[in-house]
Amino acid sequence: AQTVTQSQPEMSVQEAETVTLSCTYDTSENNYYLFWYKQPPSRQMILVIRQEAYKQQNATENRFSVNFQKAAKSFSLKISDSQLGDTAMYFCAFMIPPLLRGAQKLVFGQGTRLTINP
Amino acid sequence: NAGVTQTPKFRILKIGQSMTLQCTQDMNHNYMYWYRQDPGMGLKLIYYSVGAGITDKGEVPNGYNVSRSTTEDFPLRLELAAPSQTSVYFCASSYSLGPSTDTQYFGPGTRLTVL
Repeated sequence: AQTVTQSQPEMSVQEAETVTLSCTYDTSENNYYLFWYKQPPSRQMILVIRQEAYKQQNATENRFSVNFQKAAKSFSLKISDSQLGDTAMYFCAFMIPPLLRGAQKLVFGQGTRLTINP
Repeated sequence: NAGVTQTPKFRILKIGQSMTLQCTQDMNHNYMYWYRQDPGMGLKLIYYSVGAGITDKGEVPNGYNVSRSTTEDFPLRLELAAPSQTSVYFCASSYSLGPSTDTQYFGPGTRLTVL
C-alpha cells in the first residue's frame, strides 16, 4: 500500500520569506502522480501543483515549485515570496494512474499547517 | 459553473440517527468521490463512482452507503450515526477518459458532529 508522510505538523514564517514543506512517500510503483493541495480556513481543497513521476523536470506554478527526488521518494514544496494569503493547511497527495476507466484514488499525508506572519 | 456543491454545510446528529449528505457537480464529470477528514489528518476515501450506476468502496466505507443515479449527483448516506463518524466530509469530481489523469475538484465540505 502507498503511504504519504508529512513530518512537519506546523510551520511559521514571515511575509516575503521562502518556506519549504516536506513530503515523503512510499511506493513500489514506477509511474505515479504527486500533488500539493492547499486548504485555507474556508476548508476548500485547492490544487496548488502536480508532478508526474516520469518527468524529470520539477513542476513550477508562479511562486510555487517542487523539488522531486524520485530515488529518495521525496516531494517538497517551496513557496517563494510568501504572502499572508498562503496561510493554510497544505496536503501532499499521491496517486497511481488508473487503469482504463478506473478511478483516481488519492492518498493524502497528514498535512502541514503553515502560518505566514505580517 | 458552480463546480462541486455540498449541502448541508453543518449538521449535528444524535447517535443512531440517519442522514444524507448531498453532492452535485455541474461540470459533466464522470468520476465522483467522497472523502472524510478527521481532525489533524488528511483526507481518506470513503466511496467513489466512475459513472452513473457504478460505485465502489474506498479505504473507509463502513457505516456509509452511496448511490449514483445521475451524472450530476452523488449522495452519501449515513445509517445509524456513531460518534466515530464525526468528521468533515468532502465530495470531489474529476473527468477522465481512458488512462488520462485529471485534477480532482473539491466541494466546500460538510462538518458533521455526532453526539
